[in-house]
Amino acid sequence: EAGVAQSPRYKIIEKRQSVAFWCNPISGHATLYWYQQILGQGPKLLIQFQNNGVVDDSQLPKDRFSAERLKGVDSTLKIQPAKLEDSAVYLCASSLDGWQYFGPGTRLTVT
Amino acid sequence: AQSVTQLGSHVSVSEGALVLLRCNYSSSVPPYLFWYVQYPNQGLQLLLKYTTGATLVKGINGFEAEFKKSETSFHLTKPSAHMSDAAEYFCAVSETGTASKLTFGTGTRLQVTL
Repeated sequence: EAGVAQSPRYKIIEKRQSVAFWCNPISGHATLYWYQQILGQGPKLLIQFQNNGVVDDSQLPKDRFSAERLKGVDSTLKIQPAKLEDSAVYLCASSLDGWQYFGPGTRLTVT
Repeated sequence: AQSVTQLGSHVSVSEGALVLLRCNYSSSVPPYLFWYVQYPNQGLQLLLKYTTGATLVKGINGFEAEFKKSETSFHLTKPSAHMSDAAEYFCAVSETGTASKLTFGTGTRLQVTL
């Protein structure tokens, strides 16, 4: 069974630029999560999808972050415009039976 | 609201020595508890989980953890450390009945020396 795929693995941008991350969950997993992991901290949930609907986006900075999962499979997370404090690893996870399986993450550096 | 405290951001042990990584939680309802491991440049991998039932939980790679309600703890142990155990370890808590809405601790980096 293939795992959760994410791309790109690394991204360097300047502040005020925009960036997008892509996640392909494990086949058949209805629930998809995006986490932000700042260096030295644990992952923090940004948004949770159930199929193509948002379940929880209470911690998503909606003025600059957006996410979608249009067909209930792949998902994209966008930041526009980026700030220095957005430098982090962005993790995607998916679940079928409640247990979350994580992708390798995208490391974003904002300069 | 739930929270997790991991005591010690860095732990160093000798190869073959006991590994003990500490985790204390706060939850208003009976929790589900998890330990995840993160190797460099990789995502998180589930080591073990406690939901209900037996309080001593065995996971992969020889790790185990014991849920102690009276101490609100879920410490991770391994009798004999191996060099390949060097990684970052995260304790997490969620509400009963779901593994969603995970709240993670800040992590403990385990170093294993010869």
